[in-house]
Amino acid sequence: SAVISQKPSRDICQRGTSLTIQCQVDSQVTMMFWYRQQPGQSLTLIATANQGSEATYESGFVIDKFPISRPNLTFSTLTVSNMSPEDSSIYLCSGGPRRGEQFFGPGTRLTVL
Amino acid sequence: SQQGEEDPQALSIQEGENATMNCSYKTSINNLQWYRQNSGRGLVHLILIRSNEREKHSGRLRVTLDTSKKSSSLLITASRAADTASYFCEGQKLVFGQGTRLTINP
Repeated sequence: SAVISQKPSRDICQRGTSLTIQCQVDSQVTMMFWYRQQPGQSLTLIATANQGSEATYESGFVIDKFPISRPNLTFSTLTVSNMSPEDSSIYLCSGGPRRGEQFFGPGTRLTVL
Repeated sequence: SQQGEEDPQALSIQEGENATMNCSYKTSINNLQWYRQNSGRGLVHLILIRSNEREKHSGRLRVTLDTSKKSSSLLITASRAADTASYFCEGQKLVFGQGTRLTINP
């Protein structure tokens, strides 16, 4: 198993600003992912964070809006850029040795005013 | 879509009773996982069952997997108020359904 922490746990931001969320894993993991969960809805995969290369984004998500870094096998960041109220959501990272075997962080609750 | 779909969408039972939730998926998988999500919190991994397993136990949890029917079930025995949460299944694509909202009434 892996223990995953996220910072910040929550934030309230102004429209037009950006927020960077950090995800730290207590052990090296092959794969890391970023999700969004909007109020009352299920998880949506944003992107796969690839170590040493550009992230792989799912349909509907683009790098300019959600730049992702993954400098090593235990750490990743997700930036939510030029935020609007529609970006208010819980953002979760997950990590694991392979797809389909994932452990999740506690999430970051973002509110955009 | 490779989305897992949980059934029922909502379930309300008395404390001490057993709760059964089902999950169906559409493509072949190597393993399937069940997660719990308390309101406003992140997902908590409950149990993983591999495609060559038919049943797995963990404490009060029992998971079954029927790959021929592409379905899985999660049984929580002797439910407690703290089991109140949403439960999600997830297969290969890391795509989740809406989950089953379980409410345990004291």
